Amino acid sequence: QQQVKQSPQSLIVQKGGISIINCAYENTAFDYFPWYQQFPGKGPALLIAIRPDVSEKKEGRFTISFNKSAKQFSLHIMDSQPGDSATYFCAASGNNAGNMLTFGGGTRLMVKP
Amino acid sequence: KAGVTQTPRYLIKTRGQQVTLSCSPISGHRSVSWYQQTPGQGLQFLFEYFSETQRNKGNFPGRFSGRQFSNSRSEMNVSTLELGDSALYLCASSTGWGYNEQFFGPGTRLTVL
Repeated sequence: QQQVKQSPQSLIVQKGGISIINCAYENTAFDYFPWYQQFPGKGPALLIAIRPDVSEKKEGRFTISFNKSAKQFSLHIMDSQPGDSATYFCAASGNNAGNMLTFGGGTRLMVKP
Repeated sequence: KAGVTQTPRYLIKTRGQQVTLSCSPISGHRSVSWYQQTPGQGLQFLFEYFSETQRNKGNFPGRFSGRQFSNSRSEMNVSTLELGDSALYLCASSTGWGYNEQFFGPGTRLTVL
């Protein structure tokens, strides 16, 4: 059972545009939601993370929006750059689950120059 | 500070063999988690070790096992390899257990023929 659903699977954005990736979760015990960026041949790297006590968190060009009632969260990449071309994963973790992360299926982002 | 290191980076085995993968966490990190990444199933949690004890285990058969040593280094073992075990195996380390930023290594690419 996939507990974190991510969309779209792939995304093409023009340089300077906004990239938006969405995730929905089912398990109400989840209370930590990180986003990871993965380049080919590399391991995932943490971009930004949020807890459900806030509805939005911004770090540079990256913003997470969180809707607890809808059990949805999204990543916005402002002023997208070709260097942002990578695969993005949302994830979730819950109380008493230690560091165990449940990942979404991933979104392959391509930013065209 | 050196990142998470995984050895070997690439491995080719045949069905029925066993394999041991190694992970050295970031200095000072005491938690190590393992994930399997495949195109079909995405990123799936295998298990997590903290202070030499397995704290969490994912939904994988008993052929998958692991351990952690007193210096926090970890190994995972897969016995009786199957074709479906071909994957990128990722190790992630963090300072403690629960809600900690996880740093991923580059992974070990296992191919089972």
